[in-house]
Amino acid sequence: GENVEQHPSTLSVQEGDSAVIKCTYSDSASNYFPWYKQELGKGPQLIIDIRSNVGEKKDQRIAVTLNKTAKHFSLHITETQPEDSAVYFCAARSNSGYSTLTFGKGTMLLVSP
Amino acid sequence: EADIYQTPRYLVIGTGKKITLECSQTMGHDKMYWYQQDPGMELHLIHYSYGVNSTEKGDLSSESTVSRIRTEHFPLTLESARPSHTSQYLCASRRVSGNTIYFGEGSWLTVV
Repeated sequence: GENVEQHPSTLSVQEGDSAVIKCTYSDSASNYFPWYKQELGKGPQLIIDIRSNVGEKKDQRIAVTLNKTAKHFSLHITETQPEDSAVYFCAARSNSGYSTLTFGKGTMLLVSP
Repeated sequence: EADIYQTPRYLVIGTGKKITLECSQTMGHDKMYWYQQDPGMELHLIHYSYGVNSTEKGDLSSESTVSRIRTEHFPLTLESARPSHTSQYLCASRRVSGNTIYFGEGSWLTVV
């Protein structure tokens, strides 16, 4: 089955700096890679996703890059703000209708004012 | 905004009690999931369902059981709670043809 490794487990940055979270996956059949943000006391929410036929995707201050050959993908947050502080999860899934998402272990991001 | 609801949000119960965590979604999603989230943040899939009358065990063994009698409802039951069941339980759903999983806000269970 799929195995997703996520690093770092915690990340502290100053407001305005960039933050990068990296994930690797093991199953070459995986072709869908979402990122979820979980704020304190809430369930995770999708913030951006990428499919395997695309190398990069941007949405305002958030971008995700995918390297299928190396089986790794990364989340980039620019101009971080205190409200970006949360736990971020990467995940991977194959295209099979019966497949489930495999999540990384999460990264706690703390943005200090 | 996801239309998926979990009750109760917070619950403290005694050892040996039976508890059912409710999960309902109004999006007509066929696929539903239960995740257990430990204090270290990691999400563990414990049950999922492809649709009515379908239930499957997830990656993490769990003493809980689930049922799916109606599309919108996916309750999780612990017949005899133990302190080791103390955790946050997250319900989620998605369309068969969709990619996005929508999560509820979670149920925090403490067994004393």
